[in-house]
Amino acid sequence: DVKVTQSSRYLVKRTGEKVFLECVQDMDHENMFWYRQDPGLGLRLIYFSYDVKMKEKGDIPEGYSVSREKKERFSLILESASTNQTSMYLCASRNMDRTNEKLLFGSGTQLSVL
Amino acid sequence: KQEVTQIPAALSVPEGENLVLNCSFTDSAIYNLQWFRQDPGKGLTSLLLIQSSQREQTSGRLNASLDKSSGRSTLYIAASQPGDSATYLCAVTGTYKYIFGTGTRLKVLA
Repeated sequence: DVKVTQSSRYLVKRTGEKVFLECVQDMDHENMFWYRQDPGLGLRLIYFSYDVKMKEKGDIPEGYSVSREKKERFSLILESASTNQTSMYLCASRNMDRTNEKLLFGSGTQLSVL
Repeated sequence: KQEVTQIPAALSVPEGENLVLNCSFTDSAIYNLQWFRQDPGKGLTSLLLIQSSQREQTSGRLNASLDKSSGRSTLYIAASQPGDSATYLCAVTGTYKYIFGTGTRLKVLA
């Protein structure tokens, strides 16, 4: 089964820590995305990458950075975690085959910042 | 700016009912529309993708339609089951970005 894998299902961190969220896809997809999901606010795009070493800011990039050194891996970095970054983080990927452009998600990482 | 609305926000139905979930969008210049299912505390599972040139897609008991000119999509679920209980989200896309609705929380009662 093709899949998007997020390294941690649950994560608890302290305020001020540097946090790495990892996402790996095994489908050779060009595009990868990081979203956060909060009750009442829905899914909001943090960053996306349309290919290796390429990245674009989404709607809420402040306090985050990303890295895409290899096609299969897209990392989200919280430079200095804060309590308002407590959220569900969702990684997704998509290929650019016009016949099959489905956005596929990982199972999510619930991050709590104390 | 594209906005996506899903009404109702929540829905409870008895098992066996056929039901329709609605998705509206304000800008008809979309590339495709995708329906997802999300179980509590989990990621999103893709259900159906409709490209802008298509009018509908079917998978098992699910049928999704798209009317770009009126800015609407519907997800039809036939013979609902308790296992269909979840939040259903639609998303429309341009070249890269997806705009998500806030979802319809469905509960199918046994």
